[in-house]
Amino acid sequence: AQSVTQLGSHVSVSEGALVLLRCNYSSSVPPYLFWYVQYPNQGLQLLLKYTSAATLVKGINGFEAEFKKSETSFHLTKPSAHMSDAAEYFCAVSASGGNKLVFGAGTILRVKS
Amino acid sequence: EAQVTQNPRYLITVTGKKLTVTCSQNMNHEYMSWYRQDPGLGLRQIYYSMNVEVTDKGDVPEGYKVSRKEKRNFPLILESPSPNQTSLYFCASSQPGLAGLEQFFGPGTRLTVL
Repeated sequence: AQSVTQLGSHVSVSEGALVLLRCNYSSSVPPYLFWYVQYPNQGLQLLLKYTSAATLVKGINGFEAEFKKSETSFHLTKPSAHMSDAAEYFCAVSASGGNKLVFGAGTILRVKS
Repeated sequence: EAQVTQNPRYLITVTGKKLTVTCSQNMNHEYMSWYRQDPGLGLRQIYYSMNVEVTDKGDVPEGYKVSRKEKRNFPLILESPSPNQTSLYFCASSQPGLAGLEQFFGPGTRLTVL
């Protein structure tokens, strides 16, 4: 069965610093992987997705993620954090033939001025 | 505009009072799902539907019912809500064959059961 582990329930960075949010997955089949962001009191917004094309995936708002099969990882990065990046981020893997996503527990990103 | 809508967005109710949360999508998607979000647990699938009249349990189905009589609608029914069903609920839709099997989410329904 597919599963997702997000390391670190809370991550704090200074404005302008590198953002690194970690995600490891378990999947018995080639995975489809996603990162979603949830701003306070809002719904889920897709940041980016891996669909087996390029291993380095670029998303919205300057975020990108690299699929590493050998490490079963799909970490999310952004070179320079902005105050507006403060949110909760979820990594997810597509499962059961595509009729559901299995989510990690989420990582709350805090950006300090 | 392609979207998934949910109603109501906020709901406070009491234990045992039946309620329904509606979900509708305008993208002609075959797949629809309900998730609940709880702190520290991420989102977990409650029920899903692969087409009209085809539904199945997800990971946390206890205490919930669904129906899919029309392709666009997928209501979530709590026949006898309990406080442990206090949560944030999301409806989602997707289309098999689309690249990445991306799910499109509604805005969420925050439910409080007293």
